[in-house]
Amino acid sequence: DGGITQSPKYLFRKEGQNVTLSCEQNLNHDAMYWYRQDPGQGLRLIYYSQIVNDFQKGDIAEGYSVSREKKESFPLTVTSAQKNPTAFYLCASSIGVDRVAEQYFGPGTRLTVT
Amino acid sequence: RKEVEQDPGPFNVPEGATVAFNCTYSNSASQSFFWYRQDCRKEPKLLMSVYSSGNEDGRFTAQLNRASQYISLLIRDSKLSDSATYLCVVIPYSSASKIIFGSGTRLSIRP
Repeated sequence: DGGITQSPKYLFRKEGQNVTLSCEQNLNHDAMYWYRQDPGQGLRLIYYSQIVNDFQKGDIAEGYSVSREKKESFPLTVTSAQKNPTAFYLCASSIGVDRVAEQYFGPGTRLTVT
Repeated sequence: RKEVEQDPGPFNVPEGATVAFNCTYSNSASQSFFWYRQDCRKEPKLLMSVYSSGNEDGRFTAQLNRASQYISLLIRDSKLSDSATYLCVVIPYSSASKIIFGSGTRLSIRP
């Protein structure tokens, strides 16, 4: 079955620690995305990648970093510089950025930082 | 003014009812419009695209009003399984950096 996997589903960290969220897809999609969703708010784009070894900042990239060393993988690191890291993080992919609205989402990771 | 605005609801309607909600957008240059569905604590999933001529998919009808800058979603003969949050998505042009998600309208169908 093709799809996107994110792990873990729930993650708890202490303030001041960096944490990396995993995202893997086997859909052979070129484009991948990371979003953050907070209660009562729409999804906000953190980073996106059009192709391997390339990525661009979204609207709220500060305090986050990504890498795209393989087509299938787009991990997101939430650094200690991110002021409000507790949120629901969603990874997505699409055939290309020109098909951005037809994206498939992973099940998400709920990060809680205390 | 927010770029995309939705009534957060919740809309609470009985099974079998017809329900409609709108989404307004501020950028008149917006080109592409979509509705996504998000179940509680799950990921969003594409429900349907919205075309200028309007489009229908079973019990769901989506329409675009460019003059007034809003899109709408109509659900007929609502089912319990329609309970979810419906997200409006607006794209000025095909660019990942410009996709805008609304905050969603919560719909609850009661037996």
